[in-house]
Amino acid sequence: ILNVEQSPQSLHVQEGDSTNFTCSFPSSNFYALHWYRWETAKSPEALFVMTLNGDEKKKGRISATLNTKEGYSYLYIKGSQPEDSATYLCAFGGKLIFGQGTELSVKP
Amino acid sequence: GAGVSQSPSNKVTEKGKDVELRCDPISGHTALYWYRQSLGQGLEFLIYFQGNSAPDKSGLPSDRFSAERTGGSVSTLTIQRTQQEDSAVYLCASSLVGTGWPGNTIYFGEGSWLTVV
Repeated sequence: ILNVEQSPQSLHVQEGDSTNFTCSFPSSNFYALHWYRWETAKSPEALFVMTLNGDEKKKGRISATLNTKEGYSYLYIKGSQPEDSATYLCAFGGKLIFGQGTELSVKP
Repeated sequence: GAGVSQSPSNKVTEKGKDVELRCDPISGHTALYWYRQSLGQGLEFLIYFQGNSAPDKSGLPSDRFSAERTGGSVSTLTIQRTQQEDSAVYLCASSLVGTGWPGNTIYFGEGSWLTVV
């Protein structure tokens, strides 16, 4: 059974803080790693699809790195804003095996 | 439409009744997926359709669950004889190509929130 783990489970930061969270996945037979942001009552929003070891992707203040050999990916948010508050999900593989998510709360 | 559309947004049903959840994928997308998230659980894969191939039903939790995709577009997820543990948000997603392409972005709908009372 493939296991995808995310940490921390939740995170509370002040506006302006930079933050990061981790996604761990099986290092063998790597295929793809996806990051999503999911706000309540909205659809999960695709942030990144990462396929190559050493991949670094950036979208505005959000960036992600990928290490397929050791089986982890980091998501970074620079200068957090209240609108960044959401659950951040990573998902492994083609059909997407999801982690439990990191719930981020950014206080003004 | 521009995105993945799901209906109903919310559904309350009595235990033992059948429910149907509908998904309208992004136009032109060949692959369609169903997931669900129960309270306190992560998103779990249910079923995957790709073109005219036989669907991957490996995530369906019981034979009370079934899904079909008509004409390669709209999909319906059917839950027969609903149980309280079926209460969850059911998410549909679609992608331009199937899981054979690693860089494939998968787009989600807003979900159908099902409550079985």
